[in-house]
Amino acid sequence: NAGVTQTPKFRVLKTGQSMTLLCAQDMNHEYMYWYRQDPGMGLRLIHYSVGEGTTAKGEVPDGYNVSRLKKQNFLLGLESAAPSQTSVYFCASSYGIPRGGAEAFFGQGTRLTVV
Amino acid sequence: AQSVTQLDSHVSVSEGTPVLLRCNYSSSYSPSLFWYVQHPNKGLQLLLKYTSAATLVKGINGFEAEFKKSETSFHLTKPSAHMSDAAEYFCVVLNTGNQFYFGTGTSLTVIP
Repeated sequence: NAGVTQTPKFRVLKTGQSMTLLCAQDMNHEYMYWYRQDPGMGLRLIHYSVGEGTTAKGEVPDGYNVSRLKKQNFLLGLESAAPSQTSVYFCASSYGIPRGGAEAFFGQGTRLTVV
Repeated sequence: AQSVTQLDSHVSVSEGTPVLLRCNYSSSYSPSLFWYVQHPNKGLQLLLKYTSAATLVKGINGFEAEFKKSETSFHLTKPSAHMSDAAEYFCVVLNTGNQFYFGTGTSLTVIP
């Protein structure tokens, strides 16, 4: 049981380049999330999904797009990377309340540097 | 709206002494609350969770937290710190829309 898997683990981009981060979960969770972690700011929610085919904006959605074509996958896209998007990105998934469990399971993170 | 405030950005304790990491939340209802731990260059691991059952919650590695509605607090404690407890700790609130909101984190240093 792999849990939540993120690819890639590291990436360096030049300003203006695009890329897609992939998140896959094998727990049949309905909810999936993308967060970014910056020093002193905790984790901030970028986008999330409440089920296959749905997406919604979180706290800091600007400059990012997402898609959830399959229940197990949640993709985060950067169309034109900027240095301000240098961060560590975490994907998470959850059953969601009221089904129970409720906690989020996290991937190992993707360290992205934009130069 | 829900929010979480971690009152200390850094806490330093000696090995074998108690740990207290403070968290206050803001919510218009009784929320689900969590503590996660992140060791250097690692992902996040669940320490414990409160979901409206017992107000004293026991977690892994000897940690526990007490939900106090009157004080809107969910402080994390451990009786005796171990070197392996050195890490970043996050208090998290789950809102009714199933979104997890994080505090800014507390970095715990354990001095030998």
